[in-house]
Amino acid sequence: ETVLTQSPTTTAASPGEKVTITCRASSSVSYMHWYQQKSGASPKLWIYDTSKLASGVPNRFSGSGSGTSYSLIISSIETEDAATYYCQQKSSDPPMTFGGGTKLELK
Amino acid sequence: EVQLVESGGGLVQPGRSLKLSCAASGFTFSNYGMAWVCQAPTKGLEWVASISTGGGNTYYRDSVKGRFTISRDNAKNTLYLQMDSLRSEDTATYYCARHKNSGYFDYWGQGVMVTVSS
Repeated sequence: ETVLTQSPTTTAASPGEKVTITCRASSSVSYMHWYQQKSGASPKLWIYDTSKLASGVPNRFSGSGSGTSYSLIISSIETEDAATYYCQQKSSDPPMTFGGGTKLELK
Repeated sequence: EVQLVESGGGLVQPGRSLKLSCAASGFTFSNYGMAWVCQAPTKGLEWVASISTGGGNTYYRDSVKGRFTISRDNAKNTLYLQMDSLRSEDTATYYCARHKNSGYFDYWGQGVMVTVSS
């Protein structure tokens, strides 16, 4: 099973700051996907196939990476970005796995 | 508009069974793989099971193999999760999600809570 380790587990940033969330895989994966989940709500697809923004996602978000290291980057954080972000991979064989999540708070 | 609406959750004693349903609308259900993903209280997301478009291929995480069964009825646009021999550690919110080819979930239901407790 491919284990995904996210860092940091929690972070706080002020509006306008740049934020980077990292997801490291225990073995190489082809793509990484990211979800945003706000408190009490269902997860939402946020970034798919490593770098493609889901519908409605602001372009201050971006995704990058390859192999075992991937990142979600927010170029200039806004208050509405406060949420928990999860990375997720699907290797050739199940199971598909999620990272433990990164809780992003606004200062 | 794509909609996924789960039902069937509740409080159940350890060792008993529960069957979750997910009613899909707004898309051609039979064209998509589907999955169940769970989230224990205050914890992260865990993939539970997936099923192919026709239902012929199913996949499970190790902790539910032999206890849970994922199935679908394409005529009724409905996904199911039969949960047998339930354990306290199965307590979670269960989400129904639509699969895309490269393995991501593009639509999620609102979730249904399953509590396993005596």
